[in-house]
Amino acid sequence: DGGITQSPKYLFRKEGQNVTLSCEQNLNHDAMYWYRQDPGQGLRLIYYSQIVNDFQKGDIAEGYSVSREKKESFPLTVTSAQKNPTAFYLCASRAGVGIYGYTFGSGTRLTVV
Amino acid sequence: EDKVVQSPLSLVVHEGDTVTLNCSYEVTNFRSLLWYKQEKKAPTFLFMLTSSGIEKKSGRLSSILDKKELFSILNITATQTGDSAVYLCAAPSNNNDMRFGAGTRLTVKP
Repeated sequence: DGGITQSPKYLFRKEGQNVTLSCEQNLNHDAMYWYRQDPGQGLRLIYYSQIVNDFQKGDIAEGYSVSREKKESFPLTVTSAQKNPTAFYLCASRAGVGIYGYTFGSGTRLTVV
Repeated sequence: EDKVVQSPLSLVVHEGDTVTLNCSYEVTNFRSLLWYKQEKKAPTFLFMLTSSGIEKKSGRLSSILDKKELFSILNITATQTGDSAVYLCAAPSNNNDMRFGAGTRLTVKP
């Protein structure tokens, strides 16, 4: 079945450590996105990529980094520079530009301890 | 700056009630508006609206778009406890990402 797989589902990190969240899709979608969701808030865009080897900053990119070396994969690294990383992270993909909606992964809940 | 605003932010009703969730938007080059339901993890797609005044319907849920007034509503009739969720409204922005509202948290009590 086609879909988006995020791993791990739960992640604990000590302050000062970098951590990488995985996002893989087998939908042959060109565009991939990373969103952050905090309690009581909507989804805020961190980074997005519309083609391989290219990505753009979203609204809250500071303290995060991404890569897009393969069409299927769009990993997100939460660096130690991110001051408040505890949140729910959602990865999404979309077939094309325009009106189409997203397919979402099941999310990763990151907790800094 | 493109934005999507939802109201109310939270809503508590009893089973059988009818609810209306609101979404207003300001998006350059508007193309579509989408509604999602988020229970615990990934949002699931409900509706995509592109034309004004045409109601989309799926069971007890329906939605309509008003492009003149720049808003959409999501109606749920005869609510059930399983309708409890966060409902998200979103619109593709000029950068081809998706602008999301803050969501409405609906709680349906037995």
